[in-house]
Amino acid sequence: EVQLVQSGAEVKKPGESLKISCKGSGYSFTSYWIGWVRQMPGKGLEWMGIIYPGDSDTRYSPSFQGQVTISADKSISTAYLQWSSLKASDTAMYYCARRPPLELERGGFDYWGQGTLVTVSS
Amino acid sequence: EIVMTQSPATLSLSPGERATLSCRASQSVSSSYLSWYQQKPGQAPRLLIYGASTRATGIPARFSGSGSGTDFTLTISSLQPEDFAVYYCQQDYNFPGTFGQGTKLEIK
Repeated sequence: EVQLVQSGAEVKKPGESLKISCKGSGYSFTSYWIGWVRQMPGKGLEWMGIIYPGDSDTRYSPSFQGQVTISADKSISTAYLQWSSLKASDTAMYYCARRPPLELERGGFDYWGQGTLVTVSS
Repeated sequence: EIVMTQSPATLSLSPGERATLSCRASQSVSSSYLSWYQQKPGQAPRLLIYGASTRATGIPARFSGSGSGTDFTLTISSLQPEDFAVYYCQQDYNFPGTFGQGTKLEIK
């Protein structure tokens, strides 16, 4: 069974750093992309960026480039999303999700993590 | 970056009725990379349709997708109570992928 299990909710202060995780199981972790999606309170879905753990190819949305860092450790089948200096506006639910490899010639996020709620408040 | 625009923002219908949701891309998107998701309150999104018209595993036949180029449609043939939710289209033909702003399907 394919599963993406995310780390737990976080409460941080502005200026602090944070790294949240997404552990994949039940499939070949290095053969599928892992994307990150932001959902601010009461708002829609935003595509942040994506990584291919097989070769660490990483792409970012221009809106998030330089604001976050996406990485993966294929030895433990885990992807990460990190911030070096959080802002109150980073308060949101963050989802990781799996995307098929390019050679399958189809897109979409077929499996999703349960979400990690990040709250940034002084 | 491709902009995805969904309409209407809110759709008010009764159970048993047919729902038609639209999604327009700012430039042509390969159908293979157009997906639809359903999200209920407090839940992660769920993939409904990929490749513009292929139902994901376990998705009922009342959900169907169509379209090509810049215009895509999600149709729910006969609304069930559990279908009232927010629906998003998404393209990832080119990275970055982008989502539409969502259509809220509410009970009339």
